[in-house]
Amino acid sequence: GDSVTQMEGPVTLSEEAFLTINCTYTATGYPSLFWYVQYPGEGLQLLLKATKADDKGSNKGFEATYRKETTSFHLEKGSVQVSDSAVYFCALISGRSQGNLIFGKGTKLSVKP
Amino acid sequence: NAGVTQTPKFQVLKTGQSMTLQCAQDMNHNSMYWYRQDPGMGLRLIYYSASEGTTDKGEVPNGYNVSRLNKREFSLRLESAAPSQTSVYFCASSEQGAIETQYFGPGTRLLVL
Repeated sequence: GDSVTQMEGPVTLSEEAFLTINCTYTATGYPSLFWYVQYPGEGLQLLLKATKADDKGSNKGFEATYRKETTSFHLEKGSVQVSDSAVYFCALISGRSQGNLIFGKGTKLSVKP
Repeated sequence: NAGVTQTPKFQVLKTGQSMTLQCAQDMNHNSMYWYRQDPGMGLRLIYYSASEGTTDKGEVPNGYNVSRLNKREFSLRLESAAPSQTSVYFCASSEQGAIETQYFGPGTRLLVL
C-alpha cells in the first residue's frame, strides 16, 4: 500500500541552525503531499502542502518541494528557533488512500538556545 | 471560534468498560475524522465522515463505532475497551475532504487498564 517514510528522530539543533527533515513516499499515481506540525500538548496543524510535481509549499520560513523523480518531500528551514521545537509529520493523499491522509511516524525536533 | 473541541481530555477505563469520546466543530465543516496516535506509529485513521449522514471505516476501525450526530458533532464509541486501545485520540475536521486543511482538536488521552 501507499506509505510515507520519515527520518528517525529525535533531531536536536542549536538555534539558527539549518534544518532538513527527510520524507520519501511510495504511492501510485500523483499523490498530494503535506507537512503537519504538532507542538507540545496540542493537536496537529497544517504547515504546508504541495499538490503536484515541482510545486514548492512554504509557510513560516519552512519550505518543501515535491520531487516526483526522487519521490521525496523534504522539509527545510534556513534558521530554526526554539519555538520550532515540535513533532513534524509528513503525509500524503492518493487515489488508493480513498482520499484520506496517510501519515509518516513523525520526527521530533528539539532546538536549544 | 473554538475550532475543534474534544471531551474528555483524559480518561482511565478498566478492560471491558465502554465510553464515548465527544467531538464538536464550529467551522461549518462537512468532513470529520477520528485518529489514534501511538508512540512511533504516527497517526492512523479510525473512522471518517465525509459529510453529514455518512461514515466510513479508516485504517484501524476494529473495536470502535462512530456516530455523526449532526454537522457539528462526531462521536467515537468504545463498546468494550481493551488495553490495546490505550492511545491518544484526535478528532479533526475539514471543509470538504482530506485534501483540504484538517483542523485538529487537542486530543483525548485514554488509558485502559
